[in-house]
Amino acid sequence: DSGVTQTPKHLITATGQRVTLRCSPRSGDLSVYWYQQSLDQGLQFLIHYYNGEERAKGNILERFSAQQFPDLHSELNLSSLELGDSALYFCASSEEDTQYFGPGTRLTVL
Amino acid sequence: GENVEQHPSTLSVQEGDSAVIKCTYSDSASNYFPWYKQELGKRPQLIIDIRSNVGEKKDQRIAVTLNKTAKHFSLHITETQPEDSAVYFCAAKRHGGSQGNLIFGKGTKLSVKP
Repeated sequence: DSGVTQTPKHLITATGQRVTLRCSPRSGDLSVYWYQQSLDQGLQFLIHYYNGEERAKGNILERFSAQQFPDLHSELNLSSLELGDSALYFCASSEEDTQYFGPGTRLTVL
Repeated sequence: GENVEQHPSTLSVQEGDSAVIKCTYSDSASNYFPWYKQELGKRPQLIIDIRSNVGEKKDQRIAVTLNKTAKHFSLHITETQPEDSAVYFCAAKRHGGSQGNLIFGKGTKLSVKP
């Protein structure tokens, strides 16, 4: 157990819908990162937040947004969902360089 | 920006043999290089990491080597066991602490045959 929690574990929804994924970092970690992993694919970096502020953006679509709250948990919002958005979404947290991953949320768009 | 290439994409070895996975990176300012193991449907788990001021690091059956001049680093697993079967990802990070983010290679699927 990495200490990073993600909810929900599974999410099944329809095209055009909007969902919110939640991540709670390890105690004391100020950084939260979001990644997308499609079937048999690598880890695509989406976005990084540090202590409530956006620090870096990767290949994140305009339909996706994220935020980090004062209690340091983070939410990833995915809207106007398409079939191709079906993937595992991981968050990771870190204090310094080492990132610890949560168990992921498996999103299925039908 | 940083680009990380990882080879091979698949690797099959016999139990007890060694396995080597290689990665190259493009940004000479990268200074932190972790390796993650991911079992099917599970989260990536850090297995070993190395920083640019160190050339080699070992932890039991796994070791990582770094060649800063050539900008490549490798994962070595000795005496492989069936439970080593997984996808392995290398990554590189520029800057320290809260600056920068990890750039991952595309992964190597390791199969260890009993």
